[in-house]
Amino acid sequence: LAKTTQPISMDSYEGQEVNITCSHNNIATNDYITWYQQFPSQGPRFIIQGYKTKVTNEVASLFIPADRKSSTLSLPRVSLSDTAVYYCLVGGSWGKLQFGAGTQVVVTP
Amino acid sequence: DTEVTQTPKHLVMGMTNKKSLKCEQHMGHRAMYWYKQKAKKPPELMFVYSYEKLSINESVPSRFSPECPNSSLLNLHLHALQPEDSALYLCASSQEGQYLETQYFGPGTRLLVL
Repeated sequence: LAKTTQPISMDSYEGQEVNITCSHNNIATNDYITWYQQFPSQGPRFIIQGYKTKVTNEVASLFIPADRKSSTLSLPRVSLSDTAVYYCLVGGSWGKLQFGAGTQVVVTP
Repeated sequence: DTEVTQTPKHLVMGMTNKKSLKCEQHMGHRAMYWYKQKAKKPPELMFVYSYEKLSINESVPSRFSPECPNSSLLNLHLHALQPEDSALYLCASSQEGQYLETQYFGPGTRLLVL
């Protein structure tokens, strides 16, 4: 399983865009990149998944450069309710999710 | 319905007690999981059931005993736990347990072992 490195924490104000970069230098050819979000006292929730270039859904965008050694989760115009821990996951096999340390995002008014 | 429910929400038990955690999903998923999460740490996989059979045991101590009575239910039986077992226990489910499947998590049971 590819090791991931994320910032421990990030602070933002409401309405700003938050970009969280995850490093995964030893990503394998068939590995996908997945992000989960976890609110306090809740289980993680799937946000987005991608293999290369850019993926966008109603919640976030995921940017993956050509070398795939890093990826950036972009949260547009965050609100207070986006305060959570964001986990970057790379690879895995047969249902095994390997969570990294996660990034605590704190949004303030 | 994309909900995974877990009971109880909180549990306090002594080291000699026997208790069980319960998890239920009605999404028709055939894979179910138990994770353990310590404070300010990421979730760690404990067990995976696929089609009601135990497929992965991540070297979990025998004082944790999982059970999958049917495709909708998952139990975790606890016996002779240690204080360091205090944590949030999360249940999750997915379609079949294949790579890249989205896992749906319950809210967890917060366990305190005294």
